[in-house]
Amino acid sequence: ETGVTQTPRHLVMGMTNKKSLKCEQHLGHNAMYWYKQSAKKPLELMFVYSLEERVENNSVPSRFSPECPNSSHLFLHLHTLQPEDSALYLCASSQDPGTGGREQYFGPGTRLTVT
Amino acid sequence: AQSVTQLGSHVSVSEGALVLLRCNYSSSVPPYLFWYVQYPNQGLQLLLKYTTGATLVKGINGFEAEFKKSETSFHLTKPSAHMSDAAEYFCAVHSGGGADGLTFGKGTHLIIQP
Repeated sequence: ETGVTQTPRHLVMGMTNKKSLKCEQHLGHNAMYWYKQSAKKPLELMFVYSLEERVENNSVPSRFSPECPNSSHLFLHLHTLQPEDSALYLCASSQDPGTGGREQYFGPGTRLTVT
Repeated sequence: AQSVTQLGSHVSVSEGALVLLRCNYSSSVPPYLFWYVQYPNQGLQLLLKYTTGATLVKGINGFEAEFKKSETSFHLTKPSAHMSDAAEYFCAVHSGGGADGLTFGKGTHLIIQP
C-alpha cells in the first residue's frame, strides 16, 4: 500500500449504530487530520493529531471520537449520528509543520450515509 | 483568522482554451498556499504549492499559479484545457502557525466543453 488509505470506502449506518472509520498512512508522516466534506460547504477540519497528540478539535460534537494509537494510524469512532452527519470523511497526513513542508496528503475518503 | 475565497462555483471552458481559476485569501501572516484537485469519488490530490521564493509556481498536469501579495491572490492557470481536467479544484491556505489544518475555499467545478 502507498500513500494514505481509508476503510471502508462506503458506510451506511443507522442513528443508533456504532462504527469506526480507519485511516493509515504509509508516508512516514507524523501529523494526521480528519476533515468532513459536505455538499456545497467547504472542507471542514475536524481533528488534528501531531506526534500522536491531539492538538486541535474544531468544536466537533462528541458523537465523533478520534483515536490515534501511533503515527501511522488514525480512527474516527462514530456513535448516535444524525442524518446531517452524512458526508465524505477525508483523512490526511503531513510532516510535522514545525519541520517545514506543510502540504497534506489525502486518502480517498469514506462516504458515510446516516439513515 | 484566515479565509479563502474562490470566485465562481462553476467554470466552463472549451477544450484547448485557457483555464483560469481564481483564489483570494486573507491571512494575518505570510501564508502557505495550495491548490488541490478532486476527481469524482476520490480524495484530494496536490496540484502545486507556494511556500517561499519564486512567486510563479509550476505544478502537475501543466498547471501553474502565481502568488501576488499585493492582490492577496493565488490564481490557477493552464494554457490549454484538456477533457481530463474536468474536476473540482480547491484553493487552501495554511498560516504556518504550528500543527493545524488547512483552510479551504468552497471549490470550483471545472467543466470542459468539447
